[in-house]
Amino acid sequence: DIHLTQSPSFLSASVGDRVTITCRASQGISSYLAWYQQKPGKAPKLLIYAASTLQSGVPSRFSGSGSGTEFTLTISSLQPEDFATYYCQQLNNYPRTFGQGTKLEIK
Amino acid sequence: QVQLQESGPGLVKPSETLSLTCTVSGGSLSSYYWTWIRQPPGKGLEWIGYIDNSWITNYNPSLKSRVTISVDTSKNHFSLKLSSVTAADTAVYYCARFFYSNSRHNWFDPWGQGTLVTVSS
Repeated sequence: DIHLTQSPSFLSASVGDRVTITCRASQGISSYLAWYQQKPGKAPKLLIYAASTLQSGVPSRFSGSGSGTEFTLTISSLQPEDFATYYCQQLNNYPRTFGQGTKLEIK
Repeated sequence: QVQLQESGPGLVKPSETLSLTCTVSGGSLSSYYWTWIRQPPGKGLEWIGYIDNSWITNYNPSLKSRVTISVDTSKNHFSLKLSSVTAADTAVYYCARFFYSNSRHNWFDPWGQGTLVTVSS
């Protein structure tokens, strides 16, 4: 199985901050990576697929980059509704796997 | 737009079979792939398996011996069965569309709201 490691696991930030979350894969997955946002009690929501393509309707302050084994999710200016848990997912190999999550909290 | 809704018992006894259904609206089962994911309380996401539009299935090896995913086109829903459950199978279970693009890029979207299944006697 491909193991995904997200860093940091917890992140404390303020409204307006720029934040970056990293996802490292245990082996190369080209650009077959997605990012999801999950709020408490809700289902995950797709933010980005193919490592850098923004899903329709997702604000442009979210961006993704990377290829191979290292990927980043960046939020350019945090808004109150962005405080949530973020997961990366690899879609190159079976079984599909997720990172352990990054919880973004308000400072 | 496609919407998904999970349904099924919220409590299952140990050693019994967990059975859930995902009803799809706004889209045809035969047009896409469909998948199940679970999330134990307070923990991360685990992919369970999928069924494609030829009704071929692919399961996570960690669960393969206990999992069955099937489709009922007459009701426009797909189902999950997980046998011989234990407390470790207690989780929120999500269904989702498993979208494959022409470029081979793929992703899970949209998701159902999820349903909590507790395994307890």
